[in-house]
Amino acid sequence: GESVGLHLPTLSVQEGDNSIINCAYSNSASDYFIWYKQESGKGPQFIIDIRSNMDKRQGQRVTVLLNKTVKHLSLQIAATQPGDSAVYFCAEIPLTGNQFYFGTGTSLTVIP
Amino acid sequence: KAGVTQTPRYLIKTRGQQVTLSCSPISGHRSVSWYQQTPGQGLQFLFEYFSETQRNKGNFPGRFSGRQFSNSRSEMNVSTLELGDSALYLCASSRQGGDTEAFFGQGTRLTVV
Repeated sequence: GESVGLHLPTLSVQEGDNSIINCAYSNSASDYFIWYKQESGKGPQFIIDIRSNMDKRQGQRVTVLLNKTVKHLSLQIAATQPGDSAVYFCAEIPLTGNQFYFGTGTSLTVIP
Repeated sequence: KAGVTQTPRYLIKTRGQQVTLSCSPISGHRSVSWYQQTPGQGLQFLFEYFSETQRNKGNFPGRFSGRQFSNSRSEMNVSTLELGDSALYLCASSRQGGDTEAFFGQGTRLTVV
């Protein structure tokens, strides 16, 4: 089966600092990747996505980087705010399927 | 526009019972996927429906089943509940599934006692 993992289960950052959350995936044929944010008591919320033909994509305060050579995905959050505290999941979607494979998540805590 | 709606939000059942959960996708979305989320296990894929047909199924026992109606609303059913079925059940809708952005509902928190 697919394997999507996260390097660090928890991350604490000072408010205003930048955060980097990492994700490793195993299927080199995966075509599409998504980062989700899940706050306590809520469902996952779409943050940003990237396709395999791209290396970088930027959103509002967030950047996703894709390194296909080492099968690594990262989410960068600029000027982290207390409202960014949540669990972040990366999801991998293989080219041949309709199924999302999620990592176990990284818990981000922003210290005021 | 309205988001993904899951009902009920919370549910308590006893072992051996069955349960039906409902998911109403975003208007215009034809794909609905179901996931089970437990502490330490992350999100485990259950199944995905598109235009009333199950297109993909995860590694769950046959006690877990689902269906999708012509209006794209979906239900999942779990029969003969076990304590280990206690989890947050999430559904996600997208226009086509697979390579398109998926939006999640708030989930149904099922507790089996």
